[in-house]
Amino acid sequence: QPVLTQPPSASASLGASVTLTCTLSSGYSNYKVDWYQQRPGKGPRFVMRVGTGGIVGSKGDGIPDRFSVLGSGLNRYLTIKNIQEEDESDYHCGADHGSGSNFVWVFGGGTKLTVL
Amino acid sequence: QVQLVESGGGLVKPGGSLRLSCAASGFTFSDYYMSWIRQAPGKGLEWVSYISSSGSTIYYADSVKGRFTISRDNAKNSLYLQMNSLRAEDTAVYYCARKGVAGKFDYWGQGTLVTVSS
Repeated sequence: QPVLTQPPSASASLGASVTLTCTLSSGYSNYKVDWYQQRPGKGPRFVMRVGTGGIVGSKGDGIPDRFSVLGSGLNRYLTIKNIQEEDESDYHCGADHGSGSNFVWVFGGGTKLTVL
Repeated sequence: QVQLVESGGGLVKPGGSLRLSCAASGFTFSDYYMSWIRQAPGKGLEWVSYISSSGSTIYYADSVKGRFTISRDNAKNSLYLQMNSLRAEDTAVYYCARKGVAGKFDYWGQGTLVTVSS
């Protein structure tokens, strides 16, 4: 099954842009990845799905246009432009993996985004 | 609007049992696959289990296989997780989540905390 790797932390100044990275393990370059935002003390919410061709499907409810995604090789990127205080959150990536009669959903370790 | 409300968490001793519930509203519950996902304190998300809309297909993470049982009652719009033989490493906030179009977890609850400690 794939392993998803995320840097534990990132930071950006108010109004700036930041790109978060989720890296799939070798051999899984065709996998799509979902991004989730988790504000402090809250449950996660779906942001959007990304493959090598970019966004797959539609964004989650209430996700602003400032959020976008790209995919290249083993990397899946989430870019936030014009960062606002409300964007300070943990961002998780996840993917499903079915093999024969088995199924698992795997998540990365999450990236804590701090808005300076 | 879609709402998922978990309950049933609490403090339990190692080896003990607990049953979590998730009450769903704002959508046709019987049309959707559902999942339990947990988050240990200060850690990332860990998928636990998933159940099809009819309950006929179920999967578990290896870490809980044989100890946890997922079920649903479509007449009551409710999802359940029976947790037996609990271990300290099961300590986490447990979220229920709806699997929407194309399998994404499109709605999550606020979570319920399970603490396994003597």
